[in-house]
Amino acid sequence: DAGVTQSPTHLIKTRGQQVTLRCSPKSGHDTVSWYQQALGQGPQFIFQYYEEEERQRGNFPDRFSGHQFPNYSSELNVNALLLGDSALYLCASSSGAVNEKLFFGSGTQLSVL
Amino acid sequence: GENVEQHPSTLSVQEGDSAVIKCTYSDSASNYFPWYKQELGKRPQLIIDIRSNVGEKKDQRIAVTLNKTAKHFSLHITETQPEDSAVYFCAASRGHTGGGNKLTFGTGTQLKVEL
Repeated sequence: DAGVTQSPTHLIKTRGQQVTLRCSPKSGHDTVSWYQQALGQGPQFIFQYYEEEERQRGNFPDRFSGHQFPNYSSELNVNALLLGDSALYLCASSSGAVNEKLFFGSGTQLSVL
Repeated sequence: GENVEQHPSTLSVQEGDSAVIKCTYSDSASNYFPWYKQELGKRPQLIIDIRSNVGEKKDQRIAVTLNKTAKHFSLHITETQPEDSAVYFCAASRGHTGGGNKLTFGTGTQLKVEL
Protein backbone atom coordinates (compact mmCIF):
# COMPACT_ATOMS: atom_id res chain seq x y z
CA ASP A 1 0.00 0.00 0.00
CA ALA A 2 1.74 3.11 -1.25
CA GLY A 3 1.69 6.14 0.98
CA VAL A 4 1.62 9.73 -0.21
CA THR A 5 4.16 10.26 -2.97
CA GLN A 6 5.53 13.56 -4.17
CA SER A 7 7.73 14.58 -7.07
CA PRO A 8 10.27 15.89 -7.56
CA THR A 9 12.13 15.56 -4.25
CA HIS A 10 14.32 18.58 -4.90
CA LEU A 11 14.06 21.51 -7.27
CA ILE A 12 16.15 24.60 -7.94
CA LYS A 13 14.61 27.58 -9.71
CA THR A 14 15.45 31.23 -10.24
CA ARG A 15 13.36 34.24 -9.34
CA GLY A 16 10.47 34.88 -11.68
CA GLN A 17 10.23 31.31 -12.92
CA GLN A 18 7.25 29.02 -12.54
CA VAL A 19 7.19 25.61 -10.85
CA THR A 20 4.83 22.62 -10.73
CA LEU A 21 4.90 20.11 -7.92
CA ARG A 22 3.03 16.81 -8.01
CA CYS A 23 1.36 14.60 -5.43
CA SER A 24 -0.33 11.21 -5.42
CA PRO A 25 -2.48 10.53 -2.37
CA LYS A 26 -2.45 7.44 -0.22
CA SER A 27 -4.55 4.62 -1.61
CA GLY A 28 -8.19 5.11 -0.67
CA HIS A 29 -7.82 8.84 -0.02
CA ASP A 30 -9.63 11.44 -2.08
CA THR A 31 -8.64 14.73 -0.46
CA VAL A 32 -5.29 16.46 -0.97
CA SER A 33 -3.91 19.36 1.03
CA TRP A 34 -0.74 21.35 0.40
CA TYR A 35 1.45 22.91 3.07
CA GLN A 36 4.55 25.10 2.97
CA GLN A 37 7.18 24.48 5.63
CA ALA A 38 9.92 27.06 6.00
CA LEU A 39 13.12 26.03 7.77
CA GLY A 40 12.55 25.71 11.52
CA GLN A 41 8.82 26.41 11.27
CA GLY A 42 5.60 24.44 11.36
CA PRO A 43 3.78 23.67 8.11
CA GLN A 44 1.53 26.46 6.82
CA PHE A 45 -1.71 25.54 5.03
CA ILE A 46 -1.86 26.59 1.37
CA PHE A 47 -5.07 24.95 0.12
CA GLN A 48 -7.09 21.76 -0.02
CA TYR A 49 -8.70 19.93 -2.93
CA TYR A 50 -11.70 17.65 -2.76
CA GLU A 51 -13.79 16.42 -5.69
CA GLU A 52 -11.48 18.33 -8.04
CA GLU A 53 -12.33 21.66 -6.44
CA GLU A 54 -10.49 23.94 -4.04
CA ARG A 55 -12.37 23.54 -0.76
CA GLN A 56 -10.29 25.70 1.58
CA ARG A 57 -7.49 28.18 1.10
CA GLY A 58 -4.92 29.65 3.47
CA ASN A 59 -3.29 33.07 3.37
CA PHE A 60 -1.26 32.61 0.21
CA PRO A 61 -1.29 34.90 -2.83
CA ASP A 62 -2.88 33.99 -6.14
CA ARG A 63 0.58 33.06 -7.45
CA PHE A 64 -0.12 29.76 -5.72
CA SER A 65 -2.65 27.66 -7.59
CA GLY A 66 -3.55 24.03 -7.77
CA HIS A 67 -5.46 21.33 -9.45
CA GLN A 68 -6.87 17.93 -8.62
CA PHE A 69 -7.36 15.25 -11.23
CA PRO A 70 -10.09 12.59 -11.45
CA ASN A 71 -7.67 10.01 -10.00
CA TYR A 72 -7.30 12.30 -6.92
CA SER A 73 -3.70 13.23 -7.65
CA SER A 74 -2.87 16.90 -7.42
CA GLU A 75 -0.53 19.60 -8.63
CA LEU A 76 0.69 22.76 -6.94
CA ASN A 77 1.76 25.58 -9.25
CA VAL A 78 3.69 28.64 -8.15
CA ASN A 79 4.18 31.52 -10.59
CA ALA A 80 6.64 34.42 -10.48
CA LEU A 81 8.82 32.75 -7.88
CA LEU A 82 10.29 34.86 -5.10
CA LEU A 83 13.28 34.09 -2.91
CA GLY A 84 10.86 33.74 0.01
CA ASP A 85 9.13 30.84 -1.71
CA SER A 86 12.12 28.64 -0.86
CA ALA A 87 10.73 25.97 1.46
CA LEU A 88 9.69 22.35 1.82
CA TYR A 89 6.33 21.82 0.15
CA LEU A 90 4.35 19.04 1.75
CA CYS A 91 1.35 17.23 0.36
CA ALA A 92 -1.05 15.51 2.71
CA SER A 93 -3.95 13.23 1.90
CA SER A 94 -7.03 12.26 3.83
CA SER A 95 -10.29 10.46 3.33
CA GLY A 96 -13.11 12.72 2.26
CA ALA A 97 -15.76 14.02 4.56
CA VAL A 98 -15.34 11.46 7.30
CA ASN A 99 -11.78 11.20 8.55
CA GLU A 100 -9.68 14.15 9.66
CA LYS A 101 -6.39 12.24 9.82
CA LEU A 102 -3.80 13.72 7.46
CA PHE A 103 -0.93 11.65 6.11
CA PHE A 104 2.02 13.54 4.70
CA GLY A 105 4.36 12.88 1.83
CA SER A 106 8.11 13.43 2.11
CA GLY A 107 7.86 16.77 0.40
CA THR A 108 9.54 18.71 -2.37
CA GLN A 109 12.43 20.93 -1.30
CA LEU A 110 12.24 24.06 -3.47
CA SER A 111 15.18 26.44 -3.61
CA VAL A 112 14.72 29.78 -5.38
CA LEU A 113 17.96 31.53 -6.31
CA GLY B 1 -8.32 32.57 12.27
CA GLU B 2 -6.85 29.90 14.50
CA ASN B 3 -3.58 30.53 16.31
CA VAL B 4 -1.64 27.69 17.96
CA GLU B 5 1.18 28.37 20.40
CA GLN B 6 3.60 25.62 21.42
CA HIS B 7 6.09 25.42 24.30
CA PRO B 8 8.89 24.78 24.87
CA SER B 9 10.76 25.28 21.62
CA THR B 10 13.53 22.94 22.77
CA LEU B 11 13.45 20.20 25.37
CA SER B 12 16.32 18.03 26.56
CA VAL B 13 15.69 15.00 28.80
CA GLN B 14 17.63 12.03 30.03
CA GLU B 15 16.76 8.63 28.63
CA GLY B 16 13.98 7.08 30.68
CA ASP B 17 12.60 10.41 31.86
CA SER B 18 9.24 11.85 30.81
CA ALA B 19 8.75 14.72 28.37
CA VAL B 20 5.80 17.10 28.21
CA ILE B 21 5.00 19.51 25.39
CA LYS B 22 2.17 22.02 25.73
CA CYS B 23 0.02 23.83 23.19
CA THR B 24 -2.72 26.44 23.38
CA TYR B 25 -5.24 27.31 20.68
CA SER B 26 -7.47 30.31 20.11
CA ASP B 27 -10.44 29.05 18.06
CA SER B 28 -13.12 27.63 20.35
CA ALA B 29 -14.62 25.83 17.34
CA SER B 30 -11.51 23.64 16.93
CA ASN B 31 -12.38 20.05 17.72
CA TYR B 32 -9.52 17.91 16.40
CA PHE B 33 -5.96 17.99 17.78
CA PRO B 34 -3.25 15.82 16.21
CA TRP B 35 0.42 15.55 17.09
CA TYR B 36 3.12 14.96 14.49
CA LYS B 37 6.72 13.80 14.85
CA GLN B 38 9.21 14.96 12.23
CA GLU B 39 12.70 13.55 12.10
CA LEU B 40 15.37 15.52 10.27
CA GLY B 41 14.76 15.45 6.52
CA LYS B 42 11.66 13.28 6.81
CA ARG B 43 7.91 13.66 6.54
CA PRO B 44 5.75 14.62 9.53
CA GLN B 45 4.25 11.44 10.96
CA LEU B 46 0.99 11.36 12.89
CA ILE B 47 1.70 9.85 16.30
CA ILE B 48 -1.53 10.47 18.19
CA ASP B 49 -4.67 12.59 17.91
CA ILE B 50 -7.60 13.53 20.09
CA ARG B 51 -11.06 14.87 19.46
CA SER B 52 -12.83 17.43 21.61
CA ASN B 53 -15.29 14.95 23.07
CA VAL B 54 -12.42 13.13 24.81
CA GLY B 55 -10.25 14.48 27.62
CA GLU B 56 -7.36 12.03 27.39
CA LYS B 57 -6.02 9.40 25.02
CA LYS B 58 -3.12 7.02 25.48
CA ASP B 59 -1.12 4.84 23.10
CA GLN B 60 1.68 2.89 24.81
CA ARG B 61 4.26 5.47 25.97
CA ILE B 62 2.44 8.42 24.43
CA ALA B 63 -0.57 10.25 25.84
CA VAL B 64 -2.42 13.43 24.99
CA THR B 65 -4.65 15.46 27.29
CA LEU B 66 -7.12 18.16 26.30
CA ASN B 67 -8.67 20.93 28.37
CA LYS B 68 -11.36 22.54 26.21
CA THR B 69 -12.24 25.16 28.79
CA ALA B 70 -8.69 26.44 28.97
CA LYS B 71 -8.07 25.73 25.28
CA HIS B 72 -4.88 23.82 25.81
CA PHE B 73 -3.63 20.33 25.09
CA SER B 74 -0.45 18.49 25.94
CA LEU B 75 1.67 15.61 24.71
CA HIS B 76 3.22 13.30 27.31
CA ILE B 77 5.98 10.84 26.45
CA THR B 78 7.04 8.45 29.19
CA GLU B 79 10.20 6.33 29.41
CA THR B 80 11.85 8.35 26.66
CA GLN B 81 14.28 6.64 24.31
CA PRO B 82 16.94 8.07 21.97
CA GLU B 83 14.70 7.31 18.98
CA ASP B 84 12.14 9.74 20.40
CA SER B 85 14.53 12.56 19.48
CA ALA B 86 12.80 14.65 16.79
CA VAL B 87 10.73 17.78 16.27
CA TYR B 88 7.17 17.47 17.54
CA PHE B 89 4.33 19.61 16.20
CA CYS B 90 0.89 20.10 17.66
CA ALA B 91 -1.98 21.19 15.44
CA ALA B 92 -5.64 22.16 15.66
CA SER B 93 -8.53 21.91 13.23
CA ARG B 94 -12.27 22.46 13.05
CA GLY B 95 -12.46 19.12 11.36
CA HIS B 96 -15.05 18.64 8.69
CA THR B 97 -17.51 20.90 10.48
CA GLY B 98 -15.42 23.77 9.20
CA GLY B 99 -15.83 22.77 5.56
CA GLY B 100 -12.49 21.01 5.41
CA ASN B 101 -9.86 19.68 7.79
CA LYS B 102 -7.33 22.49 7.55
CA LEU B 103 -4.64 22.08 10.20
CA THR B 104 -3.03 25.04 11.98
CA PHE B 105 0.34 23.97 13.36
CA GLY B 106 2.37 25.11 16.31
CA THR B 107 5.98 26.18 15.83
CA GLY B 108 7.43 22.86 16.95
CA THR B 109 9.44 21.46 19.86
CA GLN B 110 12.90 20.01 19.30
CA LEU B 111 13.11 17.06 21.71
CA LYS B 112 16.53 15.63 22.48
CA VAL B 113 16.82 12.46 24.52
CA GLU B 114 20.29 12.11 25.97
CA LEU B 115 21.92 8.86 26.99
